[in-house]
Amino acid sequence: SQKIEQNSEALNIQEGKTATLTCNYTNYSPAYLQWYRQDPGRGPVFLLLIRENEKEKRKERLKVTFDTTLKQSLFHITASQPADSATYLCALDKGGGATNKLIFGTGTLLAVQP
Amino acid sequence: DTAVSQTPKYLVTQMGNDKSIKCEQNLGHDTMYWYKQDSKKFLKIMFSYNNKELIINETVPNRFSPKSPDKAHLNLHINSLELGDSAVYFCASSRSRGVGTGELFFGEGSRLTVL
Repeated sequence: SQKIEQNSEALNIQEGKTATLTCNYTNYSPAYLQWYRQDPGRGPVFLLLIRENEKEKRKERLKVTFDTTLKQSLFHITASQPADSATYLCALDKGGGATNKLIFGTGTLLAVQP
Repeated sequence: DTAVSQTPKYLVTQMGNDKSIKCEQNLGHDTMYWYKQDSKKFLKIMFSYNNKELIINETVPNRFSPKSPDKAHLNLHINSLELGDSAVYFCASSRSRGVGTGELFFGEGSRLTVL
């Protein structure tokens, strides 16, 4: 069956460290993968999109990698701050079709301690 | 100047009632979606419309009926509400329907509680 898995437990790190979140998928062939941030009581907010032919994408303190052989994406936040605390969701298209149909992972709760 | 706005934000109702959630986007996007987020925070797609045409209809009970009067609006009507319908419903929009067309813009969510 098709699955998208993210770190099921909360990730606690110290301010200033690099946070690394994992997204693994099985039985998908996505053309691209996206990462979103969701704060409590709010809707998800888009952060980054990476395509299958891209190995890495950066935006300010954020970096995403996409390994289609391992079927894995890693999401890094460098120099993390307490304001980065939130749930981070990976999402990928179901692949093979013409319609933008994003399937989301269950999310990882990141807590950055001051 | 909210990009994707949905109303109401909170909805508490009894089992068996019928309720509607409305969504509007002012981004000029062609495609709109309804997602359901359950108590475990799992976000699951329900429907998608492209320029008023239904293009995604996941396995959702017939009690759920989306309606898109124009490409800027997508409403969700739910008949005969059940306890299991309690969730947060998110409306979203994207530039167009194609794969890789970019990010989704989400509304703030409508929390539905069925008693």
